[in-house]
Amino acid sequence: QVQLVQSGAEVKKPGASVKVSCKASGYTFTSYGISWVRQAPGQGLEWMGWISAYNGNTNYAQKLQGRVTMTTDTSTSTAYMELRSLRSDDTAVYYCARVSGYDSSGPHDYWGQGTLVTVSS
Amino acid sequence: EIVMTQSPATLSVSPGERATLSCRASQSVSSNLAWYQQKPGQAPRLLIYGASTRATGIPARFSGSGSGTEFTLTISSLQSEDFAVYYCQQYNNWPLTFGQGTRLEIK
Repeated sequence: QVQLVQSGAEVKKPGASVKVSCKASGYTFTSYGISWVRQAPGQGLEWMGWISAYNGNTNYAQKLQGRVTMTTDTSTSTAYMELRSLRSDDTAVYYCARVSGYDSSGPHDYWGQGTLVTVSS
Repeated sequence: EIVMTQSPATLSVSPGERATLSCRASQSVSSNLAWYQQKPGQAPRLLIYGASTRATGIPARFSGSGSGTEFTLTISSLQSEDFAVYYCQQYNNWPLTFGQGTRLEIK
């Protein structure tokens, strides 16, 4: 069965960086993309960006350009999202999600369990 | 950026009744529209994609319709487990965007 298992909760100080992992299993990793979506406390879903696990192509939300980097390691079927220069308003649950289509956008059919990132001094 | 607007923000419906949720796009997204359900403390779950195709394992009481800029999610005969927050998402253009959500609550 398809599973996306994310790394554990993180507490970071403002200005620091965080790197969240998302390990995929139960499907051919390189046949799909991975999106990252975050949700601030009590708020809605915010799409952060997407990476093709096939060729590494990325597409980021403009507001995060320059602060976010998404990568994959096909040898371990793991996707990573690094966010730098953290601010208090980056406090959120971060989700990875599988995206249908190996090099294009599509519906997000499987989701990780979420990783809480807390930014606090 | 395509703005997705959902209405109403909150919908109060009695169990067994029908719920109709709306989603409007600021420009055409063709049929590249998905609906997700999210319960407290859980990740979102894909319900509908391609505007009207149910995802694997989704009960037939969930149906989606529309194309272009106007979309509807209908839940016939609401069950207790259906009370949750629902989001629409367009995946026609980068950046992908979500609506702000509709909270479906028990009346």
